[in-house]
Amino acid sequence: DAGVIQSPRHEVTEMGQEVTLRCKPISGHNSLFWYRQTMMRGLELLIYFNNNVPIDDSGMPEDRFSAKMPNASFSTLKIQPSEPRDSAVYFCASSLETGGLKLFFGSGTQLSVL
Amino acid sequence: AQSVTQPDIHITVSEGASLELRCNYSYGATPYLFWYVQSPGQGLQLLLKYFSGDTLVQGIKGFEAEFKRSQSSFNLRKPSVHWSDAAEYFCAVGGTDKLIFGTGTRLQVFP
Repeated sequence: DAGVIQSPRHEVTEMGQEVTLRCKPISGHNSLFWYRQTMMRGLELLIYFNNNVPIDDSGMPEDRFSAKMPNASFSTLKIQPSEPRDSAVYFCASSLETGGLKLFFGSGTQLSVL
Repeated sequence: AQSVTQPDIHITVSEGASLELRCNYSYGATPYLFWYVQSPGQGLQLLLKYFSGDTLVQGIKGFEAEFKRSQSSFNLRKPSVHWSDAAEYFCAVGGTDKLIFGTGTRLQVFP
């Protein structure tokens, strides 16, 4: 099994640009989670999906952030427009169980907004 | 409110020494508890989990953790640390919806 696959591994962009992060969960997993990791705030849950449906997006910081899961094998997290304070590592994780009682993490996307 | 506290931001131990990483939680019901480990540049990997039953749980890489309800704690232990254990360790609590992570403890191991 290839595990959770995230792309790109690194993204450097300028303030105001649109950023799209991609995630392919483990085949057969029905829950998908987006986390953001920073030194100041640690690991924060942004949003999670169950069976492709967004269940809880209360962690999405503001309207500039949006996430989609058009099918069971693909999800995107978009930031538009990006700001320097969005710089962080963004992790995608998937799980077989609803609620993510055992999460499998991708290697993350390191985002730098200049 | 649900929360997880890891009071130690950074811990340094010598190789071969014992280790205990602290975790305290606040949760309205019986929690599911987890420890994850993150190596540099990598995602998190599950070390062990507690759902119910025996309060002492064994995990991978020789780690164990003990659930103490009276203290709202779930401390991670290892009797003898190896240099390869140097990483960041995260405690997490959840129910049937989502996991809440602590801010992590960075472990440094000296030879």
